Amino acid sequence: KNEVEQSPQNLTAQEGEFITINCSYSVGISALHWLQQHPGGGIVSLFMLSSGKKKHGRLIATINIQEKHSSLHITASHPRDSAVYICAVSPNYGGATNKLIFGTGTLLAVQP
Amino acid sequence: DVKVTQSSRYLVKRTGEKVFLECVQDMDHENMFWYRQDPGLGLRLIYFSYDVKMKEKGDIPEGYSVSREKKERFSLILESASTNQTSMYLCASSLEVTEAFFGQGTRLTVV
Repeated sequence: KNEVEQSPQNLTAQEGEFITINCSYSVGISALHWLQQHPGGGIVSLFMLSSGKKKHGRLIATINIQEKHSSLHITASHPRDSAVYICAVSPNYGGATNKLIFGTGTLLAVQP
Repeated sequence: DVKVTQSSRYLVKRTGEKVFLECVQDMDHENMFWYRQDPGLGLRLIYFSYDVKMKEKGDIPEGYSVSREKKERFSLILESASTNQTSMYLCASSLEVTEAFFGQGTRLTVV
């Protein structure tokens, strides 16, 4: 079983829909990261969080440390949000090296 | 802006060639990482370095080596490229437990 599990693996939405991507993890963590990767492109960090909730524009990330679960929400989705969204954790046994453990990603397609 | 730059976006190499992938970061980060990304497997750590000349194996180091002679530069070396090393390679850097910054990726094809 992977230490970081994401769902769904694939998601198709219509423009304007509210989107939720879920991430569950099984290790103790110092932080959780949400990353975005456009087709053929590099990876961009969207959020790093260790508690509560963060918001940036139409993106919201939440984390529940007790339940070892995080969600990434996209409000008023747009075709330019189409990308792979990756959840990753910084395990608290990793020390200062920040070796991330990655989920396998969620491929999001937003149709106009 | 933090920048992590990989030397090539696309590479095509022949089986048995020695291949160098270069990564440079401009934020004085201690930690640098090399990952490969394959469909259905996500990102897997090949090697990482936490200081100049210091390196540790990741989850899939076989067939690879690395070099970090200067803090800003981390090189991944495929000693004798094989077709099963065809993949997307991503470099990243970070401080301790902070946001990680990724390069744009190198898509390597070994023929």
